Amino acid sequence: QKEVEQDPGPLSVPEGAIVSLNCTYSNSAFQYFMWYRQYSRKGPELLMYTYSSGNKEDGRFTAQVDKSSKYISLFIRDSQPSDSATYLCAMSNTGGFKTIFGAGTRLFVKA
Amino acid sequence: GAGVSQTPSNKVTEKGKYVELRCDPISGHTALYWYRQSLGQGPEFLIYFQGTGAADDSGLPNDRFFAVRPEGSVSTLKIQRTERGDSAVYLCASSSTTVASSYNEQFFGPGTRLTVL
Repeated sequence: QKEVEQDPGPLSVPEGAIVSLNCTYSNSAFQYFMWYRQYSRKGPELLMYTYSSGNKEDGRFTAQVDKSSKYISLFIRDSQPSDSATYLCAMSNTGGFKTIFGAGTRLFVKA
Repeated sequence: GAGVSQTPSNKVTEKGKYVELRCDPISGHTALYWYRQSLGQGPEFLIYFQGTGAADDSGLPNDRFFAVRPEGSVSTLKIQRTERGDSAVYLCASSSTTVASSYNEQFFGPGTRLTVL
């Protein structure tokens, strides 16, 4: 079993939809929970990180962490075609050093 | 300012050959990371450096893989006796701090696409 499980999709939604992306994990030592966005042939870029449990909001993006269920989510409101990319969840049990990534979910937002 | 750069952007080699992949981190960043990303997968941690020393090399798959960072800036990932299964995108990242009690954002380069024929 992988430490981090993420449905690879693809996920296709119409413009303006609310998108929900999720990951589960098995290592209870993880403390930092990150979401990265990766465009084709580019390196990942950090969208948000959360320390321990709770919610964090940044513009159209909201990250949620439920450590009791070992489940994290990313919500994208009012999705745009420019949001089309692969979204990677990632986790670390230190200050973001050794980071374990999920497989990534490919998202397509149709205009 | 300049981001993380990696050279070459593409490398094609034959099975059994030796390859070197280079990473230039963001100036002043003390931590440097190497990941491998296979098609359809997320990045897989290989190793990270704090300064010149490897702080965690637990992700290196076997002794054919080796990385150095002799002056605490540029790093080279070296792969001996390449195998077809080594084909992947090799990503490098750097971060500015090395404090475990706070989050240290990693900035990624575009990667080197390695193809082993």
